[in-house]
Amino acid sequence: GQNIDQPTEMTATEGAIVQINCTYQTSGFNGLFWYQQHAGEAPTFLSYNVLDGLEEKGRFSSFLSRSKGYSYLLLKELQMKDSASYLCAVRDGAGGANNLFFGTGTRLTVIP
Amino acid sequence: DGGITQSPKYLFRKEGQNVTLSCEQNLNHDAMYWYRQDPGQGLRLIYYSQIVNDFQKGDIAEGYSVSREKKESFPLTVTSAQKNPTAFYLCASRPRGQGTDTQYFGPGTRLTVL
Repeated sequence: GQNIDQPTEMTATEGAIVQINCTYQTSGFNGLFWYQQHAGEAPTFLSYNVLDGLEEKGRFSSFLSRSKGYSYLLLKELQMKDSASYLCAVRDGAGGANNLFFGTGTRLTVIP
Repeated sequence: DGGITQSPKYLFRKEGQNVTLSCEQNLNHDAMYWYRQDPGQGLRLIYYSQIVNDFQKGDIAEGYSVSREKKESFPLTVTSAQKNPTAFYLCASRPRGQGTDTQYFGPGTRLTVL
């Protein structure tokens, strides 16, 4: 089976840096995704990691360590619009399905 | 514009009634998915289809049914057998392949059963 853990809530100050952690256990790891979801809206894709290391994309970076079953999403220069839920999802290639399994999401609140 | 559409955005139904949620995509994606999202829980997979005329159960398929008669369409029926149907339902699609191909989500349908 799959087990994906991430903190339920976080608060950070505008302009600061925040790191959202995700740990996972899965039998057929085939990539890790981060999505942003504003309340009542669809998740939107932020980043993808399949090899160890850091992927940087503007103010957002994502890191993966496959041996530790660990990833984090780093948000720099926080803006009020970054207040949202951040979903960690692991793609499992077992059986060829390549389905995504989601954590519960981390609700980030950015305060002035 | 290419994308995924779900309608309606809000849906109310009486207990015991079946209801069908629509999902249409014009992205030419092979794979389509239905998820359910409840407060405090992650997205949970209901059904998925990797190709036309084929679909598979996800983790919480009981009380739901789907069809995939056309590549563009993947409707979800919430039956009266689903014991707690009130939730936010998300449809997604994905090109069939590996790599960075992510799933793209529709805007969702919030179903409330009264």
